[in-house]
Amino acid sequence: EDQVTQSPEALRLQEGESSSLNCSYTVSGLRGLFWYRQDPGKGPEFLFTLYSAGEEKEKERLKATLTKKESFLHITAPKPEDSATYLCAVQGVDSSYKLIFGSGTRLLVRP
Amino acid sequence: NAGVMQNPRHLVRRRGQEARLRCSPMKGHSHVYWYRQLPEEGLKFMVYLQKENIIDESGMPKERFSAEFPKEGPSILRIQQVVRGDSAAYFCASSVERRGNTIYFGEGSWLTVV
Repeated sequence: EDQVTQSPEALRLQEGESSSLNCSYTVSGLRGLFWYRQDPGKGPEFLFTLYSAGEEKEKERLKATLTKKESFLHITAPKPEDSATYLCAVQGVDSSYKLIFGSGTRLLVRP
Repeated sequence: NAGVMQNPRHLVRRRGQEARLRCSPMKGHSHVYWYRQLPEEGLKFMVYLQKENIIDESGMPKERFSAEFPKEGPSILRIQQVVRGDSAAYFCASSVERRGNTIYFGEGSWLTVV
């Protein structure tokens, strides 16, 4: 069964303090790994899709990387506006239309 | 370029009533998905539809829940005889095609059953 585990559950950072969020996954065959950001009371906002091990993508202060077993979302010099819940999801080759989500990491960046 | 549109954003229903949630996919998208997010839980897949077809409803409760995506008009998620446990955020998402393409989410419909 496809599974996604995110850690830590919650993370508090000072503004400017870089860190990484982890997403470990088990899937029979990976079609894609997705990162979303979700603000309270809002829908998930797409950030990145990664398709194969070794792939990296960047957007502003965020950088996503992928290995065969996990993905990392690196946040460099975060700002308070980066505070949100970050969701990781996998799409398997056997059920490629369905996203399996982790429980998310709640990030709080203090000024 | 409008995103995935959901309405209503907030809905309050008494136990036993029906709830209807609507979703218009992004322009050019023909694949629609519904997810549910229970309080303090992650997003769970419910159903995947294309126009006039239910492709996968493996995540949908067997009773009281139904979904459709007619040839014309929005996709509808229907919950009959709601119970308190149905209180959740229901998210619609859409994509161009099912494999490997980005799935974009709407802002959600927040159902409260009293």
